[in-house]
Amino acid sequence: SQQGEEDPQALSIQEGENATMNCSYKTSINNLQWYRQNSGRGLVHLILIRSNEREKHSGRLRVTLDTSKKSSSLLITASRAADTASYFCATPHSGGGADGLTFGKGTHLIIQP
Amino acid sequence: KAGVTQTPRYLIKTRGQQVTLSCSPISGHRSVSWYQQTPGQGLQFLFEYFSETQRNKGNFPGRFSGRQFSNSRSEMNVSTLELGDSALYLCASSRASFAGGYNEQFFGPGTRLTVL
Repeated sequence: SQQGEEDPQALSIQEGENATMNCSYKTSINNLQWYRQNSGRGLVHLILIRSNEREKHSGRLRVTLDTSKKSSSLLITASRAADTASYFCATPHSGGGADGLTFGKGTHLIIQP
Repeated sequence: KAGVTQTPRYLIKTRGQQVTLSCSPISGHRSVSWYQQTPGQGLQFLFEYFSETQRNKGNFPGRFSGRQFSNSRSEMNVSTLELGDSALYLCASSRASFAGGYNEQFFGPGTRLTVL
């Protein structure tokens, strides 16, 4: 079953604009991760935010986490054509140990040149 | 440092056959996880191996199995293939040396399996 659910399912914006994607999850977590996937290939880890963190930055990426609402958002600033990809949030499978991740269905982001 | 490699990259099989997929993790990584990705179900966790032991298993039938070798390389086997097994199978490695799932996972390019 899906733990994280991304919103929107698809997003199309102009190059240079900011893109925001949201993720909601159901159970308590100790961390949440965001991944990017280009055109049906392997996933690339973008950022991990722990449950005691509210915001984290990495380059043009900004992630927020609201554990009271069980939600997270990923903001990509000054988007580029190369950002076109699917973005997934993921949470630890069994809520704790070093196990697999449960992924949402992803947001497909298209950056128009 | 070389990334996660998966072989083969593409595979076509017919119903009823079995298939074995291979994954070589990043050097020094002892955990290997397998995921199935389909358009309908998205990314689903199959199982994870650490130090040659299966540590966790997703909600898949017994036709899906795996193993890990002493060099951390892992294989995944699917027996009696069904049409619905057509998917992208992704392998991921991580250090898995600490609790809490704080270790990021490094994914391979995947094996695209088509069952006819």
